[in-house]
Amino acid sequence: GQNIDQPTEMTATEGAIVQINCTYQTSGFNGLFWYQQHAGEAPTFLSYNVLDGLEEKGRFSSFLSRSKGYSYLLLKELQMKDSASYLCAVRAAGNTGKLIFGQGTTLQVKP
Amino acid sequence: EAQVTQNPRYLITVTGKKLTVTCSQNMNHEYMSWYRQDPGLGLRQIYYSMNVEVTDKGDVPEGYKVSRKEKRNFPLILESPSPNQTSLYFCASSLHSLSNYGYTFGSGTRLTVV
Repeated sequence: GQNIDQPTEMTATEGAIVQINCTYQTSGFNGLFWYQQHAGEAPTFLSYNVLDGLEEKGRFSSFLSRSKGYSYLLLKELQMKDSASYLCAVRAAGNTGKLIFGQGTTLQVKP
Repeated sequence: EAQVTQNPRYLITVTGKKLTVTCSQNMNHEYMSWYRQDPGLGLRQIYYSMNVEVTDKGDVPEGYKVSRKEKRNFPLILESPSPNQTSLYFCASSLHSLSNYGYTFGSGTRLTVV
């Protein structure tokens, strides 16, 4: 089967660092994506990992371990505008392009 | 501006009344897809299209139809909507099915079927 797990909610303080974990069990793997979604809005692309290791992009970094079926999104120097849901998605094997999404982690940043 | 445009943003309809949600992208993307988002279930794929005249079912296709007559447009059709199709719908596109940038999503359509 296909299963992607993320914590439902997290809270962090402005200026701090937060790590959002994602574990997956899928029948195939063709890359892992992280998206940000503000309430009532469309998801927007944050990062893509297909090989093991860390990808850094400004305040955001994403890590992948394929052998462990594990990824995390690291957000540094948190800002109030980072309050949003963060969606982990695995692209299925083959060429269908299908993304299998986790339920998302709602991050609340407090002053 | 590169974007995916969905219409309408909000729609309330009655059971059984056929409706169409339109989706258009201006990025010359080959791949387009429809998802629905429900609390506790996340985003689930309804249908996808690899290119013009090529469509296929996703994970939750029952009660929906799509067409891809032109590259830019990918409408979602509900022939006889039912209350369990009340949801937030997103159209998405990407350059091709294996793009490293994933999808560009439309702004969403919040559908209520009473």
